[in-house]
Amino acid sequence: DAGITQSPRHKVTETGTPVTLRCHQTENHRYMYWYRQDPGHGLRLIHYSYGVKDTDKGEVSDGYSVSRSKTEDFLLTLESATSSQTSVYFCATWTGHNNSPLHFGNGTRLTVT
Amino acid sequence: KQEVTQIPAALSVPEGENLVLNCSFTDSAIYNLQWFRQDPGKGLTSLLLIQSSQREQTSGRLNASLDKSSGRSTLYIAASQPGDSATYLCAVYGNTGKLIFGQGTTLQVKP
Repeated sequence: DAGITQSPRHKVTETGTPVTLRCHQTENHRYMYWYRQDPGHGLRLIHYSYGVKDTDKGEVSDGYSVSRSKTEDFLLTLESATSSQTSVYFCATWTGHNNSPLHFGNGTRLTVT
Repeated sequence: KQEVTQIPAALSVPEGENLVLNCSFTDSAIYNLQWFRQDPGKGLTSLLLIQSSQREQTSGRLNASLDKSSGRSTLYIAASQPGDSATYLCAVYGNTGKLIFGQGTTLQVKP
């Protein structure tokens, strides 16, 4: 959908290690988003980008950083992974037009042991 | 702060039934409302988008309505099929510049 590729699809890591998740899009959408999905909490916005090198925090940004050096790539870094960051992470893109929906990748399942 | 609520959290119906999923939101200052479908282990797929100036949108057996003043939207599924089994999420896009999601309704359609 909208040519969104998330990598890796699955990852297991240890507490305290840094982790980087990648989102790559081929549709030249201006906006990109990182969400996490957890039972009982639904989808929560971590960070988003409204252009190259332009990013902002979402509602659950603590412990996460992002970078967008190219239109097509949006990276999410867990600086020092904790067990509370075990989750499914979704990337989404948007054209910026109000009549256009968000497009989602298939997610990355991250387990922090 | 915008809050989005979906009722019921889960629903099980026999094949062929017509059904309604509900979504309510607390801040009526929205630009659009979106309905998504999520299959297990997959990402979200956009079903319908209703702009704030619109009252409803239709796609095949799906019809979504929007009543901005009362903070409500419904997703109507006609003649349900087992392939409709999934989690349905609504989300509102408002002046925060962010899409806020409800927690979803998990639908099971039994053959």
